[in-house]
Amino acid sequence: SQTIHQWPATLVQPVGSPLSLECTVEGTSNPNLYWYRQAAGRGLQLLFYSVGIGQISSEVPQNLSASRPQDRQFILSSKKLLLSDSGFYLCAWSAPQDYLGYTFGSGTRLTVV
Amino acid sequence: KQEVTQIPAALSVPEGENLVLNCSFTDSAIYNLQWFRQDPGKGLTSLLLIQSSQREQTSGRLNASLDKSSGRSTLYIAASQPGDSATYLCAVRPGGYDGNQFYFGTGTSLTVIP
Repeated sequence: SQTIHQWPATLVQPVGSPLSLECTVEGTSNPNLYWYRQAAGRGLQLLFYSVGIGQISSEVPQNLSASRPQDRQFILSSKKLLLSDSGFYLCAWSAPQDYLGYTFGSGTRLTVV
Repeated sequence: KQEVTQIPAALSVPEGENLVLNCSFTDSAIYNLQWFRQDPGKGLTSLLLIQSSQREQTSGRLNASLDKSSGRSTLYIAASQPGDSATYLCAVRPGGYDGNQFYFGTGTSLTVIP
């Protein structure tokens, strides 16, 4: 069976510090991978998605970047965090050919102080 | 671009009541629609997935319906329990060019009162 792992679960970082959030998927190959952000009281905002190694699409201009160094690994990064980067970050995967829907990770609560 | 709306934004019901959550979308050309549950501070848990060729899906006390032509889906919860309290989100996977992306509604926050 497929599983998705996301870490860390919580993170408190000072303004201007770097960020690295990691997401890995097991039990499948060539998944579509996604990073979402959920700000307090707001809906899910798609940040990045990837359909293959090294292929990253960005939905909104921002202080963040994403990379996919391996087939089942998706990393969200920032060189210098802003206060506005605080939020709940969710990784998800989907199978591109059989449309089984999304499966989400457990999320990372990021607080920038 | 697909737009997804969920009404109401919040709902409070007494335990045991049957209830319906609504989801509407602007473009009927979809591949599937998925309902999720989110508990506070947690990730999203998939509840039901309806393919575009299907009209409904059932899981336990949950029943989701899909009417593509009118751009609507409903999630029916029978005999609600306090443990059903959570935020419920629907997500639409469009066909065609945007097929790799899902579009989410802003959710309905459900409170079931014991």
